[in-house]
Formats: sequence, C-alpha cells, structure tokens
Amino acid sequence: DGGITQSPKYLFRKEGQNVTLSCEQNLNHDAMYWYRQDPGQGLRLIYYSQIVNDFQKGDIAEGYSVSREKKESFPLTVTSAQKNPTAFYLCASSLALAGTTETQYFGPGTRLLVL
Amino acid sequence: GNSVTQMEGPVTLSEEAFLTINCTYTATGYPSLFWYVQYPGEGLQLLLKATKADDKGSNKGFEATYRKETTSFHLEKGSVQVSDSAVYFCALSDRAGGSYIPTFGRGTSLIVHP
Repeated sequence: DGGITQSPKYLFRKEGQNVTLSCEQNLNHDAMYWYRQDPGQGLRLIYYSQIVNDFQKGDIAEGYSVSREKKESFPLTVTSAQKNPTAFYLCASSLALAGTTETQYFGPGTRLLVL
Repeated sequence: GNSVTQMEGPVTLSEEAFLTINCTYTATGYPSLFWYVQYPGEGLQLLLKATKADDKGSNKGFEATYRKETTSFHLEKGSVQVSDSAVYFCALSDRAGGSYIPTFGRGTSLIVHP
C-alpha cells in the first residue's frame, strides 16, 4: 500500500539534545512538508521541499533543520536551539508543489516530548 | 496574505443532528479549498475539496460549496454519527505568488454523543 510513514510515534528529548524525526513516502510525490501542531493553533509550516536537494523555510523554521537527499525521504531535526519543541509533528506530501488543486497526504505524526 | 478562519469549537451534537462548521477565507489569488479531518492520534486526511467557484465537494455524507461572493466554504452533514467525532480543518491553496503553499485554519473539534 502507498502512503507516508513517520517514526517514531513518540520521541523524548533531553535538554541540549538534537533529535531527528523520520518521514518516508512511497507515493512517488515530488513535494514534501513538515508541520507542527499545537493545541488550538492548527498547523504551522516548518519546512517544505519541492524536489530532491531543494527545500525552503516555512513560517516557523527557527530551531529546525531538514534534508532532502532522496525523493522518498524528508527527515526533520529538532535542534537544541528550539526552546519549546513539545508538539505533534506531521509530515505530508503532494504530487507537486505547483498545482493549487493538489491534495496533501499526511503521515500519522510523531509526538515529541521534552524530559 | 492568505488566511482561513473557522468557527471555534468544540461543537457538541447528538447523533443524527445536522452539522454546520463555518469556514471563511482571504486569498490574494483564486484558491482551491479543502476540508481535512483528523481522528484522535492520527494525521490529517482529505475529506473533500472544490477547485472553482460554485463547485460542491462531497464525501461520506459531508458537503461544502465554494462560495466566491461570500468567500466561504462551510462544511455540512445532514445526520452526524458518533464516528464523525474528530477535528475538522479548512484549508486553501492559492495560485498567486511564486509558489503554492497550503494555509490551514485552526481546526474545529466535533463531539457527537449517542
């Protein structure tokens, strides 16, 4: 079955630690996205990528980094510079970035908690 | 810039009641409009979409009509079920500007009681 997988489901971070969230898709989609979800705030865009080896900052990129070395993979690193990382993180993909009719497909999410 | 405004939740209904969740938008171009649903502990999934004015999207008994004159895309269902309990997100994507980035509303929680 085609889809998006995220791992782990839960992740615990210690102070000063960098952690990496995995996102993999087998939908052959060009565009991928990372969102942060906090209670009552909806989804906020962290980073997005239109194509391999290219990515752009979203609205809240500070304290996060990404890479796009393969079409199917778009890992997100939460660095120690992100002072309030506790949230639900959602990865998504779409066939292309250029079309306004494109549906986004979401992974099941990773919940990050700070110890 | 673009924005999406949804009614505050939670919306609490009894089973078989009529549902309306209001959504209005602001966009610089001519957007496509979407409703996504998020069940507890899961990611979002597309519920329905409309790509031009007066289009009606529909799925699983839910409907929404793209109203350009009122910049609205309200979600409706004639008879809700307990299994419809979830958070519903209105979203738009806009052709104007250099790139297309979806904009989401804050979400509206729906609770349906037996």
